[in-house]
Amino acid sequence: DAGVTQSPTHLIKTRGQQVTLRCSPKSGHDTVSWYQQALGQGPQFIFQYYEEEERQRGNFPDRFSGHQFPNYSSELNVNALLLGDSALYLCASSPDWGARGEQYFGPGTRLTVT
Amino acid sequence: AQSVTQPDIHITVSEGASLELRCNYSYGATPYLFWYVQSPGQGLQLLLKYFSGDTLVQGIKGFEAEFKRSQSSFNLRKPSVHWSDAAEYFCAVGARLTGGGNKLTFGTGTQLKVEL
Repeated sequence: DAGVTQSPTHLIKTRGQQVTLRCSPKSGHDTVSWYQQALGQGPQFIFQYYEEEERQRGNFPDRFSGHQFPNYSSELNVNALLLGDSALYLCASSPDWGARGEQYFGPGTRLTVT
Repeated sequence: AQSVTQPDIHITVSEGASLELRCNYSYGATPYLFWYVQSPGQGLQLLLKYFSGDTLVQGIKGFEAEFKRSQSSFNLRKPSVHWSDAAEYFCAVGARLTGGGNKLTFGTGTQLKVEL
């Protein structure tokens, strides 16, 4: 049973550019959440997708947007990149719209903005 | 709003020694509580979870945690640490959100070093 997968593993972008990160949830999971983990910090909740809609959002600007596809996979888009967007971006999936609480994380995408 | 405090940024223990990592949370209702472990450059692996019931929960890799409502704590323990346990450990509280869904709020983590 494949776990949560993310691509790419690493990414280097320049300030002002746009980036798209991808996530495939664990089999049987219908809910995808995205987190940003800055160096030396715990992950911070960006948003959560269920039934192809953004259902919940953390304290992140509109430059951060996403999408969920019918197969439950998801994308995270960040526009107008800032140096402060450099972080590990983690995707997490859960079943039943997170009813049981636990979330399972992928290996992350390391984004470096220069 | 919920919050998690992990008061120890770094902990060093000798291999074979016992371990306790502290976690305190703030949440208005009965919390869902989790411990995750992160190895360098890796994602988060779920060690154990507390939803309700027995306050002592067992997890993978020989870890256990005890929920103490009166102290708002959920400390992680292991009786005998192995060198491979060296990693960063995160405590998290899960909150059901208005309108549905949930999110995890994490502490800042505790970096565990194991001396051979």
